[in-house]
Amino acid sequence: NAGVTQTPKFQVLKTGQSMTLQCAQDMNHEYMSWYRQDPGMGLRLIHYSVGAGITDQGEVPNGYNVSRSTTEDFPLRLLSAAPSQTSVYFCASRTLSTDTQYFGPGTRLTVL
Amino acid sequence: GQQLNQSPQSMFIQEGEDVSMNCTSSSIFNTWLWYKQDPGEGPVLLIALYKAGELTSNGRLTAQFGITRKDSFLNISASIPSDVGIYFCAGPRPISNFGNEKLTFGTGTRLTIIP
Repeated sequence: NAGVTQTPKFQVLKTGQSMTLQCAQDMNHEYMSWYRQDPGMGLRLIHYSVGAGITDQGEVPNGYNVSRSTTEDFPLRLLSAAPSQTSVYFCASRTLSTDTQYFGPGTRLTVL
Repeated sequence: GQQLNQSPQSMFIQEGEDVSMNCTSSSIFNTWLWYKQDPGEGPVLLIALYKAGELTSNGRLTAQFGITRKDSFLNISASIPSDVGIYFCAGPRPISNFGNEKLTFGTGTRLTIIP
């Protein structure tokens, strides 16, 4: 198993550009989520999904969209990047019956 | 939003020393989780606690679920270089009527080992 994979590892965008952060897991986990990590803030939940076709907002959803067309993939879209979205983004997955959440290696995003 | 406060924010210790850190909340949690994040990696679950007063060990790590359910503690004994990283507490909170939960993370304790 590859676990949770994320691409790209690093990305630099200009203000107003759009892009999609990719996340995939091969563990057949129902629950997938996106977090952002900023210095001194810990990890904050952006969006989550409990299964294909089902998504919902987390603590800081503004400026981000998600979709879940398959169990394996959970992409995060930035429609119009802003400097405030400069952060490290982590995707995570778990089964609905456990607390053990597996995190991807992260995407470091800089918006100029 | 819900906040978990961790202290200390950072620790500088020598190899072989014991480490203690804690996490407090203004409201009750029914589960406490402790994660470790290595530089450039995602967090990895170390210990899960499910019952007030529970004391659980994982090798040199010991964590306790506070009696009030508003705090938790993590101890590392005889620290070694690979203990370096950021330690996060986290607690799941319900976010819907369907039993879905989200994890609220603490602000982290950064552990550095001085040669």
